[in-house]
Formats: sequence, C-alpha cells, structure tokens
Amino acid sequence: AQSVTQLGSHVSVSEGALVLLRCNYSSSVPPYLFWYVQYPNQGLQLLLKYTSAATLVKGINGFEAEFKKSETSFHLTKPSAHMSDAAEYFCAVSVRGGSEKLVFGKGTKLTVNP
Amino acid sequence: EAQVTQNPRYLITVTGKKLTVTCSQNMNHEYMSWYRQDPGLGLRQIYYSMNVEVTDKGDVPEGYKVSRKEKRNFPLILESPSPNQTSLYFCASSLSIITSYEQYFGPGTRLTVT
Repeated sequence: AQSVTQLGSHVSVSEGALVLLRCNYSSSVPPYLFWYVQYPNQGLQLLLKYTSAATLVKGINGFEAEFKKSETSFHLTKPSAHMSDAAEYFCAVSVRGGSEKLVFGKGTKLTVNP
Repeated sequence: EAQVTQNPRYLITVTGKKLTVTCSQNMNHEYMSWYRQDPGLGLRQIYYSMNVEVTDKGDVPEGYKVSRKEKRNFPLILESPSPNQTSLYFCASSLSIITSYEQYFGPGTRLTVT
C-alpha cells in the first residue's frame, strides 16, 4: 500500500528565504504525486503534480518539486518565501492502474516571519 | 464557476442527533470523496464514490453513511454523532481517480458534537 511521510509538522522561514518542505513516499508501483496547499479557513487546492512527464515539476505561486525515484522523495521548494505563503501544505500519493484513493501526508504548517 | 459546495459550513450539535452534511459539485465529476481533518493526523478518507450508486469505505468509515443517488451530490450522514466525530470535514471530487486528475475540494464543514 502506498504511504506518504512529511518530515516536520512545522517549518518556519524568514521572508525572502528558501522554502523546503520534505515529502517521502512509499509505493510498490510508479506513483502520481501531488502537493496541495490549505490557506487558513479554506479547502485544499492543488499546487502541482507529478505524472512522469518530467521529474522537475513547476506549480503555481513559484513553487516547484522534484521527483527523485532513488530517494523516493518529492520535496517542495520555493526560492524566496513571501508572507502570503503561510499555510499548511500536504503531500499526497496515488498509484497508477486502479487505486481508488489519494493518500495524504499529515501536513506541514509553514510560517513566514517578516 | 467550477466548484464543490458544502453545507453547512459550521455546525454544533449534541450527541445522538442525526445530521447530514451536503456536498455538491458542478463539474460532472465521476469520483467524489469525504475526508476528515484532525490536528496531527492530516486528512483521512471516510468514504468515496466512483460513480452513481457506487460507494465504498475509506480508512475511517465507522459512524458515517453516504449515498450517491445523483452524480452531482454526495451527502455525508451521521446517524448518531458522538464527540469523537468533532472534526473538520472536506468533500472532494475528481474527473477520475484512476489517473492523475486532481481532486477539487469544498471549503470544509466544521462540526462540533457536544
């Protein structure tokens, strides 16, 4: 069965600093991988997704993530944090070929300090 | 506008009083799902539906019921709510789950059971 581990339930960065949110997955078959963002008092929205077309995936709001099969990782990065990036971020995995579910990590809350 | 709507957004109720949280999508999506979000646990799937009249249990189905009589609607029913069902609930829909299509989330329903 597939699973996702997000390292660090809370991450704090200064405005303008690099954002790095870590996600490792476990899957016996090639996965689809997603990053979702949840702003306060809102639902989740898709930031980006990996579907095997390219290992470096660019998303909205300047975020990107790199799929590394050898490390089973899909870390989310942004070169320069903005105050508006403060939110909770969820990594999720589904598998090709018939899985009926999307499995989420426990989330990482990002705080951006002025 | 393409969206998933949930009602009510906030609900405070008492133990044992039956309630229904409605979910509706206007994107003609086949797949719909209910999640609950609890601090430190991320999102956990309650039930999902692959299409009309096709529903199945997720990871935490105990104490919940669902139905899918129409493609656009997927209500969540708590026959006899208990305090441990106090949580934030999200409905989501997707064109298909057996591919890389993203899930679209509703705004959430915050339920408190006293």
